[in-house]
Amino acid sequence: DTEVTQTPKHLVMGMTNKKSLKCEQHMGHRAMYWYKQKAKKPPELMFVYSYEKLSINESVPSRFSPECPNSSLLNLHLHALQPEDSALYLCASSLTGTTEAFFGQGTRLTVV
Amino acid sequence: AQSVTQLDSHVSVSEGTPVLLRCNYSSSYSPSLFWYVQHPNKGLQLLLKYTSAATLVKGINGFEAEFKKSETSFHLTKPSAHMSDAAEYFCVVSDEGGGYNKLIFGAGTRLAVHP
Repeated sequence: DTEVTQTPKHLVMGMTNKKSLKCEQHMGHRAMYWYKQKAKKPPELMFVYSYEKLSINESVPSRFSPECPNSSLLNLHLHALQPEDSALYLCASSLTGTTEAFFGQGTRLTVV
Repeated sequence: AQSVTQLDSHVSVSEGTPVLLRCNYSSSYSPSLFWYVQHPNKGLQLLLKYTSAATLVKGINGFEAEFKKSETSFHLTKPSAHMSDAAEYFCVVSDEGGGYNKLIFGAGTRLAVHP
């Protein structure tokens, strides 16, 4: 199994909603990442978890709240988002913090 | 600080002709470099990686890249383009400062392949 699985694939939410994005990998990777990608732009790093501990937060607004319940799962909790938060949210994992990353297919988020 | 520059935002080739996507990097030490491909509305797929072993790196789907330290380049090539190669390609350098893998992405090159 060499996959990073993200659910849901698409999400439409209102600005007052609370929703969560989920990411799962069973490759034994110990580092997991959230990236945000706007249209026609490269991905931008949001968070890095290493051994289930938050290692990097790239000054992301608190309306995005990551959670790593165990070494295989990574969640991104969303609350009070703005329309400009609409983007493709990509999860990735790597064996360690310094090896190549494998990406999921992404969640296309639309905030209305 | 690490950075990458992709020299072409768009490249258009005919099916069956060679592909060249250009990337220059800036790094204060021997970098780890990657090429990822992204098809429309999809995630990113790793094409190949350079991690200070052989300078000519072979990847999936017939792609390869050559690391040239003297030119600080890591260009991606393929001898013969296929229609399915049409996608966005990202050159990426790994910033491993602090022991964490911060991937620094180039702006991307959109490859169009026409019949």
